[in-house]
Amino acid sequence: EAQVTQNPRYLITVTGKKLTVTCSQNMNHEYMSWYRQDPGLGLRQIYYSMNVEVTDKGDVPEGYKVSRKEKRNFPLILESPSPNQTSLYFCASSPRQAPNEKLFFGSGTQLSVL
Amino acid sequence: KQEVTQIPAALSVPEGENLVLNCSFTDSAIYNLQWFRQDPGKGLTSLLLIQSSQREQTSGRLNASLDKSSGRSTLYIAASQPGDSATYLCAVRPKAAGNKLTFGGGTRVLVKP
Repeated sequence: EAQVTQNPRYLITVTGKKLTVTCSQNMNHEYMSWYRQDPGLGLRQIYYSMNVEVTDKGDVPEGYKVSRKEKRNFPLILESPSPNQTSLYFCASSPRQAPNEKLFFGSGTQLSVL
Repeated sequence: KQEVTQIPAALSVPEGENLVLNCSFTDSAIYNLQWFRQDPGKGLTSLLLIQSSQREQTSGRLNASLDKSSGRSTLYIAASQPGDSATYLCAVRPKAAGNKLTFGGGTRVLVKP
C-alpha cells in the first residue's frame, strides 16, 4: 500500500533531550516536507526537500534539523527540544517538486515537550 | 504574504443537508488550491486539487469551485452524511513560495444523524 509512515505516533519528552521523528514513503517520491499544526495557527511548513541531499527551510525552521540521505526517508531532528515545540507534526510527500502535484500526508506525530 | 482564511471555524448540520465550506486567500498568484479532510488522530487526505486555470473540480458528492480573481474557493458536499464529520482544510500553493502550501485554519464539520 502506498503510504507515508511516521514514527512514533505519540511522544512525550523533556526539555533538552534530543529526539528524532522518522518519516518514510514507499512511493519513490522526490519531494518531502515537514509541517507542524498548532491550534489557531494552522499548518506551517518547517523544512522541505526536493530530492536526495537537497533540503531547504520553510516558515518555521528554528530548532529543527532534517536530512535526506535516501529518497524514501526524511527524518526530523530536534537537537534540544523546548516546550514551544509541543505540537502535532506531519510529514508529506509528492512525486516531484512540480507545483501541481498532490501532497500525501502521514498520520501525524503528537509531540509533548515537558 | 499569502494568507488563507476559512470561515466559519465550526459548522453543524443535520444529515442530508448540503454542506458549503468557504476558503478565501489574499494573493491570486497561485499554482493551485487543494482541499483536504482531517480526521482526529489521522493525517490529511487530499480531496480535490484545482489548478489555477480551472474553475471547478468534482469527485462524487464533492464539488470545489475556484474564483481566483476574488480569492475565493467553495467546497460543496451534497447530501451530507455522519461520515462526512471531520475538519476540512484548504491550502493554496503560491507562485512566490516555491513548494510550500499555505493552509487555512480549517472548518470543523459535524453532521448530526
